[in-house]
Amino acid sequence: GNSVTQMEGPVTLSEEAFLTINCTYTATGYPSLFWYVQYPGEGLQLLLKATKADDKGSNKGFEATYRKETTSFHLEKGSVQVSDSAVYFCALSEVQRGYSTLTFGKGTMLLVSP
Amino acid sequence: GAGVSQSPSNKVTEKGKDVELRCDPISGHTALYWYRQSLGQGLEFLIYFQGNSAPDKSGLPSDRFSAERTGGSVSTLTIQRTQQEDSAVYLCASSLVIGRQRGVGGDTQYFGPGTRLTVL
Repeated sequence: GNSVTQMEGPVTLSEEAFLTINCTYTATGYPSLFWYVQYPGEGLQLLLKATKADDKGSNKGFEATYRKETTSFHLEKGSVQVSDSAVYFCALSEVQRGYSTLTFGKGTMLLVSP
Repeated sequence: GAGVSQSPSNKVTEKGKDVELRCDPISGHTALYWYRQSLGQGLEFLIYFQGNSAPDKSGLPSDRFSAERTGGSVSTLTIQRTQQEDSAVYLCASSLVIGRQRGVGGDTQYFGPGTRLTVL
């Protein structure tokens, strides 16, 4: 079956530091890949996505590239802010049994200090 | 435009009571999903609706859980005789249905803010 593995947190950084959150996946077909973000007390927000190999998703300074050869979709940001503190979920979506199934990683908490 | 909305945002109930959680998807989204997020358990799929029908109920944890969707829009998740282990955040998501071919990338799901359920 499909699975997503992401680095355990918390990841603790100082403001303006470089961020990488690793994510690797296992899938039977050709999935779409996503990063969702969950701010404290809120629901999941779509951060970025990529639908095919070598696509780069980007939003709010975050980037991730769909790497089929390494089955990875690592999240990066060049300079984090305190407001980026949240839990980040890597996910893949694939059509199975006639509809889209979404498989999540366990989430990585990011804590950014001033 | 309006996103997915859920109500109530918080629900505290006593063990053994029934609760109803509501989800209002993005207008025009025919697919609707319920998930549960428990501490230490991550995100757990519960049920999927396409229109008013639920072709996949495989994630519902017990027969105390049921869900319906009317008019291809609003959905209600009902938990009967609540137990303490039902305490969690219940998330709803909706999507357009574009992909149908098995093995290809799935549709983007948009999530609501969730309902935090606490069973005392």
